[in-house]
Formats: sequence, C-alpha cells, structure tokens
Amino acid sequence: NAGVTQTPKFRVLKTGQSMTLLCAQDMNHEYMYWYRQDPGMGLRLIHYSVGEGTTAKGEVPDGYNVSRLKKQNFLLGLESAAPSQTSVYFCASSYSSITSGSSTDTQYFGPGTRLTVL
Amino acid sequence: AQSVTQPDIHITVSEGASLELRCNYSYGATPYLFWYVQSPGQGLQLLLKYFSGDTLVQGIKGFEAEFKRSQSSFNLRKPSVHWSDAAEYFCAVDFSSNTGKLIFGQGTTLQVKP
Repeated sequence: NAGVTQTPKFRVLKTGQSMTLLCAQDMNHEYMYWYRQDPGMGLRLIHYSVGEGTTAKGEVPDGYNVSRLKKQNFLLGLESAAPSQTSVYFCASSYSSITSGSSTDTQYFGPGTRLTVL
Repeated sequence: AQSVTQPDIHITVSEGASLELRCNYSYGATPYLFWYVQSPGQGLQLLLKYFSGDTLVQGIKGFEAEFKRSQSSFNLRKPSVHWSDAAEYFCAVDFSSNTGKLIFGQGTTLQVKP
C-alpha cells in the first residue's frame, strides 16, 4: 500500500513548455485534489475531482488543466508554463467528503513535486 | 471571502516547554477544522480534526486542539515540545462540507531550541 504517490519529484521547465504531473493513489479513494504551495501562502486548491470522470475548479485554476480518466489517477497539466507557476505541487485524496466524523474524509497527501519554470 | 489566518509565521520554543499555535477562520456556520504538520521536504500529515461534539480534540504525537466558536478559533497545543516537533504547521478549514475543499492558513514554522 503506497498511499499517494506523485511523479516526477522535481522538474525544471522553460517558459512556454508543457508538462503533466501524475498523482496516483491505491486506497480506492473517490476524491482527489491538486494544491500548490507557495512561501507565506499555505496551500491553495487548483482543481479537484469527486469521482472518476469528473473535475472541478478550485481556488486558483487558471493555467492548469486536469483529467481523471481512471479512479486511481489524477493528472495535472500545464499547457504553457509560466514563471508564476514555479511552486511545489501536492496531490491529495480522500475516500469521501462526507463529514460523518469518521476517518474516511481525511485527506492524505503525496510527497510533492517541486516545479521550477525559468 | 472565507479565509483562514495563522497569525504567527514563526515560533521558537525551548524543548520541554508548552506550545500553542493559533488559528482563526472567517465567520460562518461551524466549519470542519484540521491541523496538518509538514516536515521539511515531506508531504502533509494530519494531526487532528474537529467536526462536532467535544470541542477539545486529541490528535497524534501528543497534540490537542480546542474549538472556540465565539472566537472562531481552533488553536493547537502541546504541553511539552520535543525537538522532533520542529516543522511547519498548517490549519485548514472545510467551509463547504460537501466537497472536501480545504482552505489553508499560511502556516506556522516551529523551531525548537535544545
């Protein structure tokens, strides 16, 4: 049981290049999330998914696209990278968002991807 | 807009001393409250959470937090800090309760002096 994994761990891009970050979870979770972490700003939600085939915008979605073709994978794409997208990206997953007080709605985080755009 | 504030960016305490990290959130119906810890180069680990019931919640690693509705606060405490507690701590709030969308505070970096 690997939990939440992210690929790659590090990446350097030039302005205008594209790339895809992969998040995978083996916990059969329905919900998956992409966050970015910037100094002094905590984590901000980019996009999220409430199930296979669904996606929705979070707090800072501009410049990013996502896809959830398989339940276990959540992909984050940058079509034309910009220096403002230099950040650490975290993926998270949870079984549900039902706040029943159980552990099923806890979000589990991956180790992060450090992206630098020059 | 809904927001979460951690007033202290950086805190330094001596090993063995008590700790309190502050978290305030913008007014609204009782949200769902979380504290996460992030060690350097690592992802986030859940310390504890509050949904309802007893306003004093216990978490892992000896941490506890108290929800105070009148103050819109959810402060994290530990009676005796260990050197291994040095990390960054994030308060997070789910205002929506039906999508799991978390809004995070800016984080508080804890340094522990020997």
